Amino acid sequence: AQSVTQPDIHITVSEGASLELRCNYSYGATPYLFWYVQSPGQGLQLLLKYFSGDTLVQGIIGFEAEFKRSQSSFNLRKPSVHWSDAAEYFCAVWMDSSYKLIFGSGTRLLVRP
Amino acid sequence: GAVVSQHPSWVICKSGTSVKIECRSLDFQATTMFWYRQFPKQSLMLMATSNEGSKATYEQGVEKDKFLINHASLTLSTLTVTSAHPEDSSFYICSAWRGAEAFFGQGTRLTVV
Repeated sequence: AQSVTQPDIHITVSEGASLELRCNYSYGATPYLFWYVQSPGQGLQLLLKYFSGDTLVQGIIGFEAEFKRSQSSFNLRKPSVHWSDAAEYFCAVWMDSSYKLIFGSGTRLLVRP
Repeated sequence: GAVVSQHPSWVICKSGTSVKIECRSLDFQATTMFWYRQFPKQSLMLMATSNEGSKATYEQGVEKDKFLINHASLTLSTLTVTSAHPEDSSFYICSAWRGAEAFFGQGTRLTVV
């Protein structure tokens, strides 16, 4: 079955430290992959997306993600976390066959001062 | 950039009453819009796909008669929660695609008392 997995429910990092949020997908065809961020009580903001081409994707506010087909992964990274990055992060896969955007369970990022 | 607007941002209603949530694409036309439901600290679950001029497509387990969707124009989709009960309390989010990007409304917090 098609699915998106974010294995980490919570992650806590110190401000200034690097960050990596994991995302694995299960999809037979080439996936269209997205990372979104959600602040409490708000909608979703797109951080970055991957459709094809360069497997290292640059996003907004210093985020990047790398698509690794062999590992079915699309992990989100940031070299230096800011306190304002504390939020919920969702990985999503567009299922072209069913015309749906499917979300992972989310990872809550906490930032220590 | 493209904006999707939801109204209201929050609503409190009495059990047994109906509530309508609007989703508008402000600067583009959307033949298809998506409605999601998000429980606290959980991911977004696709409820239904709203199609302009035709019936909505509901996900398995979503009650069509409880969650009425109307997509009467290319810029407006509405979700009506009929005969709401406390278990319908949730955060509802709509989205619409423009090109290769999904834009999300700011969400509607529904509380049924």
